Amino acid sequence: GAVVSQHPSWVICKSGTSVKIECRSLDFQATTMFWYRQFPKQSLMLMATSNEGSKATYEQGVEKDKFLINHASLTLSTLTVTSAHPEDSSFYICSARELLNTGELFFGEGSRLTVL
Amino acid sequence: DAKTTQPPSMDCAEGRAANLPCNHSTISGNEYVYWYRQIHSQGPQYIIHGLKNNETNEMASLIITEDRKSSTLILPHATLRDTAVYYCIVMLMEYGNKLVFGAGTILRVKS
Repeated sequence: GAVVSQHPSWVICKSGTSVKIECRSLDFQATTMFWYRQFPKQSLMLMATSNEGSKATYEQGVEKDKFLINHASLTLSTLTVTSAHPEDSSFYICSARELLNTGELFFGEGSRLTVL
Repeated sequence: DAKTTQPPSMDCAEGRAANLPCNHSTISGNEYVYWYRQIHSQGPQYIIHGLKNNETNEMASLIITEDRKSSTLILPHATLRDTAVYYCIVMLMEYGNKLVFGAGTILRVKS
């Protein structure tokens, strides 16, 4: 099946720094990708929809200036957590659907961010 | 998106069938039922989806009631590796539509 890869799988950073997480669709093209955040013992919370060649659409309550999303190609979306703080520590997961497929959504392995 | 209701947790003996229920009483006629699972600290894994007919694949079977207000995911022979959180989601099958996760059911398979 289709593969979605995230990098890095885990990252530790100091408070105040910015961290970039990449999401790649390895064997298919995706004009739309989704970013989720998951805190311990909670469900996945949708943060934003990443649209290739245009601005991302953010869910209510998610700060667009805090979580910068760039979808520069049909196989790559990036999430940058700017000026990270300890409360941003979380598991970030991306997902994508094949361009001509309206069925299953494929998920990346997730990226665990720890802000010290 | 229609809401779904799932039991918070279930236990199942290894080798037995695991039957996970989901209520979606407000589902609309063109919304599909999707099932995903998430093993600890991994991204969600697609299991199966269906509209009105029962579906089966190599992982599981999906039984949807005739009125489509509920469904059951069946893992025919549960193994310890099937221990995970299982999410039932209803959604229109359109390209840009997003998957919104509920709380899911924690399935514990015990030896």
